[in-house]
Amino acid sequence: ETGVTQSPTHLIKTRGQQVTLRCSSQSGHNTVSWYQQALGQGPQFIFQYYREEENGRGNFPPRFSGLQFPNYSSELNVNALELDDSALYLCASSLGTVGEKLFFGSGTQLSVL
Amino acid sequence: AQTVTQSQPEMSVQEAETVTLSCTYDTSENNYYLFWYKQPPSRQMILVIRQEAYKQQNATENRFSVNFQKAAKSFSLKISDSQLGDTAMYFCALGDYTGANSKLTFGKGITLSVRP
Repeated sequence: ETGVTQSPTHLIKTRGQQVTLRCSSQSGHNTVSWYQQALGQGPQFIFQYYREEENGRGNFPPRFSGLQFPNYSSELNVNALELDDSALYLCASSLGTVGEKLFFGSGTQLSVL
Repeated sequence: AQTVTQSQPEMSVQEAETVTLSCTYDTSENNYYLFWYKQPPSRQMILVIRQEAYKQQNATENRFSVNFQKAAKSFSLKISDSQLGDTAMYFCALGDYTGANSKLTFGKGITLSVRP
């Protein structure tokens, strides 16, 4: 089975720019969730996609948006980047069952200058 | 609102010894799940152990076990026979049955160092 892969691994942007992060879910998984992990903190839930629909969102502004494709891969888009958006962005896939194990990727390290 | 608190920022243990990592949480839900995840330098979060709140029996996975005290809202992780490969950040996380299935609330984490 293939694991969760994220691209790119590292990214540098300047304030005000837009960024797209990508995630390929584990084979057979129909649910993808995104987390933001600031330096020295635990991951914070951004949102979840189930079968191409957003079905849960954390406390993040609308400039954080996403997509899920028919093959269940996903994108995270962030518009109007701010310095505080600098963080590790983690993608996790699962079958969408409550309480089940999440399979995480190795993340994208985003630096906003 | 759900909260998870890990008050120990760092811990160190000698190889082959036992170490316990602490976690407390708060939720108004009666049914929920608790997790310990490990994050090595590779940054990939790996599930260590999972506990269902309605189960009284503490979960165990080989060298890893938990002490789940529901009334006290405490969920500690015990690592027995510590190995060098256990060196990593450890995060306690809480999930419930409401809202998004994969919405977990994580603590700040604890850095565990295993000394040879």
